[in-house]
Amino acid sequence: DQQVKQNSPSLSVQEGRISILNCDYTNSMFDYFLWYKKYPAEGPTFLISISSIKDKNEDGRFTVFLNKSAKHLSLHIVPSQPGDSAVYFCAASAGGNQFYFGTGTSLTVIP
Amino acid sequence: DTGVSQNPRHKITKRGQNVTFRCDPISEHNRLYWYRQTLGQGPEFLTYFQNEAQLEKSRLLSDRFSAERPKGSFSTLEIQRTEQGDSAMYLCASSFKGLAVRETQYFGPGTRLLVL
Repeated sequence: DQQVKQNSPSLSVQEGRISILNCDYTNSMFDYFLWYKKYPAEGPTFLISISSIKDKNEDGRFTVFLNKSAKHLSLHIVPSQPGDSAVYFCAASAGGNQFYFGTGTSLTVIP
Repeated sequence: DTGVSQNPRHKITKRGQNVTFRCDPISEHNRLYWYRQTLGQGPEFLTYFQNEAQLEKSRLLSDRFSAERPKGSFSTLEIQRTEQGDSAMYLCASSFKGLAVRETQYFGPGTRLLVL
């Protein structure tokens, strides 16, 4: 049972434009959410996180939005750069023990 | 380099053989996680340790899999009598879990296992 879902396997965006990656979850007990970026042949790298007490967290070009009523979060990258091309995973946990990951979205930023 | 390290990076073995992977976490981290990732999927939780105690195991972890973290530092994951379905990337992550600290996991580069 996939508790964290990323329904778009891939996304292409022009350099300089906004990239929006989406993630849905089913478990209302999730209270902490993270985004990771993964390049080929490397492990996932932590990008940004958000607690369920917030609806927005920003770090440089990366902003995560959380809509608890819709059980939806999104990652915005502005402006997108070619180096952002990677697979992005969202992850969630309830109480901070086991983390559940989505299946990933492959982002391609076109120069 | 003070990140999470994993050895070996690649392992090819024949069906029925045993394999062992090692993970060295970030030194001040008290939690260590093992995940398995197959093509087109996200990391799937296998097990985690807090210090030397193994606190949770996924039902994905059959009795052919065993993990240890004997001194609360490095960890090993052993797969006995490997099967072709065990072919995957095995990821290790570490984190610091404190009373008032939100946990963020930092991943190693993974060990890619191919069972022939």
